[in-house]
Amino acid sequence: EIVLTQSPATLSLSPGERATLSCWASQSINTDLAWYQQTLGQPPRLLIHYASNRATGVPARFSGSGSGTDFTLTISSLEPEDFAVYYCQQRNNWPPTFGGGTKVEIK
Amino acid sequence: QVLLVQSGAEVKKPGASVKVSCKASGYSFTTYTMHWVRQAPGQGLEWMGWINTGNGDTKYSQKFQDRLTITRDTSATTAYMDLSSLRSEDTAFYYCARDLYDHFFDAWGQGTLVTVSS
Repeated sequence: EIVLTQSPATLSLSPGERATLSCWASQSINTDLAWYQQTLGQPPRLLIHYASNRATGVPARFSGSGSGTDFTLTISSLEPEDFAVYYCQQRNNWPPTFGGGTKVEIK
Repeated sequence: QVLLVQSGAEVKKPGASVKVSCKASGYSFTTYTMHWVRQAPGQGLEWMGWINTGNGDTKYSQKFQDRLTITRDTSATTAYMDLSSLRSEDTAFYYCARDLYDHFFDAWGQGTLVTVSS
């Protein structure tokens, strides 16, 4: 199964700053990658699919990029509601797998 | 709007089974595959399996192959996840999730906490 490694584990930033989150796949997954946001006590929310396509209703400050094995989620300017845990997920190879998550916390 | 509402929290003893329901509304139930994903407290996400809500076909992670059963009731627009031979490591939140594009998940239930404890 494909292993997804997310970095860093924790990102400490202030509101208004730019956040850059990374996800590496153990083998090429083309652009078959999604990003999810999970706030405390809530289910995950789909942000990005196919590596760079924003899901319905997702603000433009969220963007995704990458292909193959290296992927990035960028939040251009952090809003208070963006402090959460972010997970990447691949669907290129069965079974679908998730990364371990990056927590974006308030500095 | 798309809504997935799950059944309430459960407490089970080791060796028992649990059945969690996921009531869908706001869309055509049989058009979208439904998945189940679990998350141990404070941990990451783990995919368990899916059901084709149209024809009832299922596919399970090898990890759960022997003790997971996913079913659906199309008249009730509800999917079910049944996990047997529970052990303490199965303590987790269990989520149903709608399939958007072949294993990307665009809508999630609120989660059901299953606690396995003697």
